[in-house]
Amino acid sequence: EAGVAQSPRYKIIEKRQSVAFWCNPISGHATLYWYQQILGQGPKLLIQFQNNGVVDDSQLPKDRFSAERLKGVDSTLKIQPAKLEDSAVYLCASRETGDTEAFFGQGTRLTVV
Amino acid sequence: GQNIDQPTEMTATEGAIVQINCTYQTSGFNGLFWYQQHAGEAPTFLSYNVLDGLEEKGRFSSFLSRSKGYSYLLLKELQMKDSASYLCAVRPLDSSYKLIFGSGTRLLVRP
Repeated sequence: EAGVAQSPRYKIIEKRQSVAFWCNPISGHATLYWYQQILGQGPKLLIQFQNNGVVDDSQLPKDRFSAERLKGVDSTLKIQPAKLEDSAVYLCASRETGDTEAFFGQGTRLTVV
Repeated sequence: GQNIDQPTEMTATEGAIVQINCTYQTSGFNGLFWYQQHAGEAPTFLSYNVLDGLEEKGRFSSFLSRSKGYSYLLLKELQMKDSASYLCAVRPLDSSYKLIFGSGTRLLVRP
């Protein structure tokens, strides 16, 4: 079974630039999560989708971050404009309805300089 | 809100046993997860506790006390490959099935 795919693996941008991350969850998984993990900390939930609807985006900085999951499968997370403090690993995870375990992708490591 | 506390770092010797504690204070609680994360890799699921007691899975066991807001992960017969971060995560009492993570405990296993 293919895992959660994310791209790119690494990205370096200058502050005030824009960046987008892509996630392809495990086939059939209705729930998709985006987490931000700053070095030395645990993952922090940014947004949760159930199919193509948003379940929770209470910690998403909506002035600069946006995410979509238009067809209920792939998802993109965008930052515009980026700040230095956005440097982190952005993890995507997915979960099948009724299952306990959420599966994580390897993440995109973003460095803002 | 949720507050989850774990020790920042622990060191143990190969072949030994180590216990990683997690305490939580939540406005509602629906279960507790443990994930393992090797440096630069994705977190991987280890265990999920909903009811009080001990869940054993090979060399790893996880314990939960809901009344005390306390959990621990027990690793036996430590191997070098167990060097990783161990993340405690709480599932809040709502319908969202989201995970709220602690900061993680970095475990270093020495020969």
